[in-house]
Amino acid sequence: QSVLTQAPSVSAAPGQKVTISCSGSSSNIGKNYVSWYQQFPGTGPKLLIYENDDRPSGIPDRFSGSKSGTSATLGITGLQTGDEADYYCGTWDSSLNGWVFGGGTKVTVL
Amino acid sequence: EVQLLESGGGLVQPGGSLRLSCAASGFTFGSYAMSWVRQAPGKGLEWVSLISGSGGSTYYVDSVKGRFTISRDNSKNTLYLQMNSLRAEDTAVYYCAKKKGDASDIWGQGTMVTVSS
Repeated sequence: QSVLTQAPSVSAAPGQKVTISCSGSSSNIGKNYVSWYQQFPGTGPKLLIYENDDRPSGIPDRFSGSKSGTSATLGITGLQTGDEADYYCGTWDSSLNGWVFGGGTKVTVL
Repeated sequence: EVQLLESGGGLVQPGGSLRLSCAASGFTFGSYAMSWVRQAPGKGLEWVSLISGSGGSTYYVDSVKGRFTISRDNSKNTLYLQMNSLRAEDTAVYYCAKKKGDASDIWGQGTMVTVSS
């Protein structure tokens, strides 16, 4: 069981919007920054969002992040077939004194 | 170009040892903390270990404490993970990742470790 909880899958049609939630606790999301990662099969993860809502250079503004209390959300607007991937949230857990990830959410473009 | 390249994976018997390496290039290696993250076949990401830029601080997930040791050689721009007493449940792709603040902004392509008799 992952410390952070994500829905296993989400789907939408091209051009639509999807949101991926990441639920944690006061020792992780409630206290620390959240980052989001995109992973395609057979490749290493790629940073999409850091410090809750900032995008690294080169990441399109179709990707957005937010945090409220002990939950965080990744939004993808204008969904494209190339967005089909697994998405993970991650943060530091101050009680475990270690980094924790969500179980991952598979995005399917219908 | 900023790059991380893992090596050292392979097939090892239960109870055996393996040392993974991660060669870094394109950035000032010693200025950044580094992590190892693994992914079992068909599963999600699991953080394994973290080391500070100087190497003076290290952190581990409970399941590998006492068995794995993270280290770095800043003169060689290389990160290591010494894995002892390997178990079947350690089978995974192991990624090294560069830390930037509270995130990991650069990841390698991974190296596969298979623990099996």
